[in-house]
Amino acid sequence: DGGITQSPKYLFRKEGQNVTLSCEQNLNHDAMYWYRQDPGQGLRLIYYSQIVNDFQKGDIAEGYSVSREKKESFPLTVTSAQKNPTAFYLCASSPTTGGRANYGYTFGSGTRLTVV
Amino acid sequence: AQSVAQPEDQVNVAEGNPLTVKCTYSVSGNPYLFWYVQYPNRGLQFLLKYITGDNLVKGSYGFEAEFNKSQTSFHLKKPSALVSDSALYFCAVRDPRGSTLGRLYFGRGTQLTVWP
Repeated sequence: DGGITQSPKYLFRKEGQNVTLSCEQNLNHDAMYWYRQDPGQGLRLIYYSQIVNDFQKGDIAEGYSVSREKKESFPLTVTSAQKNPTAFYLCASSPTTGGRANYGYTFGSGTRLTVV
Repeated sequence: AQSVAQPEDQVNVAEGNPLTVKCTYSVSGNPYLFWYVQYPNRGLQFLLKYITGDNLVKGSYGFEAEFNKSQTSFHLKKPSALVSDSALYFCAVRDPRGSTLGRLYFGRGTQLTVWP
């Protein structure tokens, strides 16, 4: 089955450490997205990528970094510069526009990051 | 600018009663509109979408939504609520002519609680 996989499901990090969240898709989607979800704040876009080796900052990119070396993979690194990293992180993918704007996103099941 | 508003943080309804979750949007062109549902500690699941055509759209699990261009609304409805419908619901919009390369804009979410 095609889908999008996030790992791990739960992640604990000590303050001052960087941590990388994995996101892999086998849907052949060009675009991938990272969102952060906090209670009562909905979804906030961190980074997105429309094509391999290219990505753009979203609304809350500070303290985060990404790479897009392969079409299938879009890992997110939460750096020590992120002041409040404890949150639920969601990865999504979609075909790009250009005749396919009627597609929505397919979401992964999320990673819950806790700073201890 | 594109945006989505979900004016109610919470909606409570008794099982068997009809439910409505409200959504209004703002885009410069004709919108593509989506509803997603999220269960605790899970990713978002697609419910339904409006692209063009009939203003009443039917989706998964008996949900439907009505597109109203004059009121810029896309309210989610279900004739008879189930306890299992209790979840967090997100409305999203995309302007297919926009320069943001297919990005979806999400509302803050509405927590639906169905009482037995």
